[in-house]
Amino acid sequence: AQSVTQLDSQVPVFEEAPVELRCNYSSSVSVYLFWYVQYPNQGLQLLLKYLSGSTLVKGINGFEAEFNKSQTSFHLRKPSVHISDTAEYFCAVSEPGNQFYFGTGTSLTVIP
Amino acid sequence: KAGVTQTPRYLIKTRGQQVTLSCSPISGHRSVSWYQQTPGQGLQFLFEYFSETQRNKGNFPGRFSGRQFSNSRSEMNVSTLELGDSALYLCASSPLDGGGTEAFFGQGTRLTVV
Repeated sequence: AQSVTQLDSQVPVFEEAPVELRCNYSSSVSVYLFWYVQYPNQGLQLLLKYLSGSTLVKGINGFEAEFNKSQTSFHLRKPSVHISDTAEYFCAVSEPGNQFYFGTGTSLTVIP
Repeated sequence: KAGVTQTPRYLIKTRGQQVTLSCSPISGHRSVSWYQQTPGQGLQFLFEYFSETQRNKGNFPGRFSGRQFSNSRSEMNVSTLELGDSALYLCASSPLDGGGTEAFFGQGTRLTVV
């Protein structure tokens, strides 16, 4: 089974500062990687996904992530955060059969 | 296109009761998965259905069960509720068989067991 580790449970950052949310996964032959965002009392919304091809993936709301196979990482970045980015962020790996393995989440708090 | 719809949004049940949650996937999606989300355990996979067949099951007791109908709508049932079953239950649908496809999530059902 896959496992996903999100190294930071909470990340406070000032508005307009850059942010990086870290994610590492267990190795597998074929890996599909995702970042989801969850706002309070809501479901999960896809930010971006890596299936194959370019290792730099751009998503919605100005987020991007880089797939690093040698380090088995898929870190999420944004160059300048906004108050509205305050939310819970989940990294996930999927396997054939659509079973997703999620990390424990990172709570991003943007400070005005 | 309508998104994934989960009903009800909120439920309060008493210990020992049973509960049924419903999920209507996006039209055309054949795969439906269920997750339990709690502050302590995070997101945990319950089971996944594809074309009315359970393909994968997480590590939950037999009190948790589910099914999928021919129109891809899914239900999950929890019997003999325990306080620890209080959680947000999320349903996700996917369009295709196989890994790599995006999972579209509903807003969840917040179950409180008292």
